[in-house]
Amino acid sequence: EPEVTQTPSHQVTQMGQEVILRCVPISNHLYFYWYRQILGQKVEFLVSFYNNEISEKSEIFDDQFSVERPDGSNFTLKIRSTKLEDSAMYFCASRGRNQPQHFGDGTRLSIL
Amino acid sequence: QKEVEQDPGPLSVPEGAIVSLNCTYSNSAFQYFMWYRQYSRKGPELLMYTYSSGNKEDGRFTAQVDKSSKYISLFIRDSQPSDSATYLCAMRRSQGGSEKLVFGKGTKLTVNP
Repeated sequence: EPEVTQTPSHQVTQMGQEVILRCVPISNHLYFYWYRQILGQKVEFLVSFYNNEISEKSEIFDDQFSVERPDGSNFTLKIRSTKLEDSAMYFCASRGRNQPQHFGDGTRLSIL
Repeated sequence: QKEVEQDPGPLSVPEGAIVSLNCTYSNSAFQYFMWYRQYSRKGPELLMYTYSSGNKEDGRFTAQVDKSSKYISLFIRDSQPSDSATYLCAMRRSQGGSEKLVFGKGTKLTVNP
C-alpha cells in the first residue's frame, strides 16, 4: 500500500540552526500538509499546500517556517532559526481529491 | 470551550471486550470526521472516514456520528492486544472551507491478553 515517507526519523539540531524536514507524499496526491505534535499534546495543523502555493497556514507557521515542493516527489518544511520550543514530532500528510489525509511516521525534532 | 474534546484515558480492557471511544465538538461547521490510530513513535494511521450522521462499519470497527449532538464515537468489537494504541479523532470543515484537521488529544487504549 502506498505511504507517505519522511526523513530523517530523528533530527537533533542546535538552537538557532536551520533545519529541513523532508517528505515524499503518496504519488498522484495533490494536497500536502505539515502538522506537529509537541510531547503530550494534540496534533496541530501548521500549513497546507496545493498547486505550488500555501493554501492555509496556522498562527504557529510564522516567518521562521517555509515549505517547498522542489520537484515532483518531495515536499519540505524548513525552519530557519530553530528555538527550543520547536522540539516536537513533525508529520507530513497528503491526500488525493475528495480523499482523507494520510500521514507519514514523522520526524522527531530535538533542539538543544 | 475547546473545539474538540476527547477523554485521554487511559483505557484498559480485557481481550475480546467491546471498546467505545468518543469525542465531542463545538463547531457546527465540521462536516468530515475521522478516526486515526497511532502506535508509539508512529504517525496517525487512518481507520475510519465519515461524512454524514449515522453509522459506518469496517470489519471490527464502527464509526458513529451524531451531528445534532456534536458527538462522534468509534466502537471496536472483539478487541485484540494489537489494538493497543492511541486513538485520535479528527474533523474538518466542508469542501471548499478550511482543510486543516482539528484533532482531539487522543485516548490511550490497552487491550490485555
